[in-house]
Amino acid sequence: DTGVTQSPTHLIKTRGQQVTLRCSPISGHKSVSWYQQVLGQGPQFIFQYYEKEERGRGNFPDRFSARQFPNYSSELNVNALLLGDSALYLCASSYGGETQYFGPGTRLLVL
Amino acid sequence: SQQGEEDPQALSIQEGENATMNCSYKTSINNLQWYRQNSGRGLVHLILIRSNEREKHSGRLRVTLDTSKKSSSLLITASRAADTASYFCATRSAGNMLTFGGGTRLMVKP
Repeated sequence: DTGVTQSPTHLIKTRGQQVTLRCSPISGHKSVSWYQQVLGQGPQFIFQYYEKEERGRGNFPDRFSARQFPNYSSELNVNALLLGDSALYLCASSYGGETQYFGPGTRLLVL
Repeated sequence: SQQGEEDPQALSIQEGENATMNCSYKTSINNLQWYRQNSGRGLVHLILIRSNEREKHSGRLRVTLDTSKKSSSLLITASRAADTASYFCATRSAGNMLTFGGGTRLMVKP
């Protein structure tokens, strides 16, 4: 089985720009979650989607938004990028159970 | 904000030795999970222990949970160089959201 895939793997943007990150969950998984991991810290929860509906939102500004498509893939959008948005963005999928399966992440650098 | 705190932040041991990492958390939980991360890449799920369990084993891994002290420990026995990674505890409360600690960076020297 193919695991969780994310694209792109790396991305460089400048302050004020917008970015879209993509995630494809494991086949059959209907839940997708997004996490931000700043260098040297643990991941922080951003969003969770289940069956295309938002089920949870972390403590992130409105510049962060996400959506889930009918095929359960997901996009994370970040507007008006700040230097502090530089991080590894992780996507995780689950069937609805307790274990989340993580993708390799997208490393975003904001200059 | 991070719910859990791992201790120690960094650990260096020789191959063959045991490695113990501790995690403390603040609120009631449904379960606690441990993940491994190699070189800043994706996280790999290692083991899950539910709030009504006290100990769980998986291969060379042993996890304990003390809900009265809001703490957990991960023991890796007979460590190998390939165990070099960062280890994170994550708690699950209401919903499916995971709250991670800051991680323990383990280095196993050959």
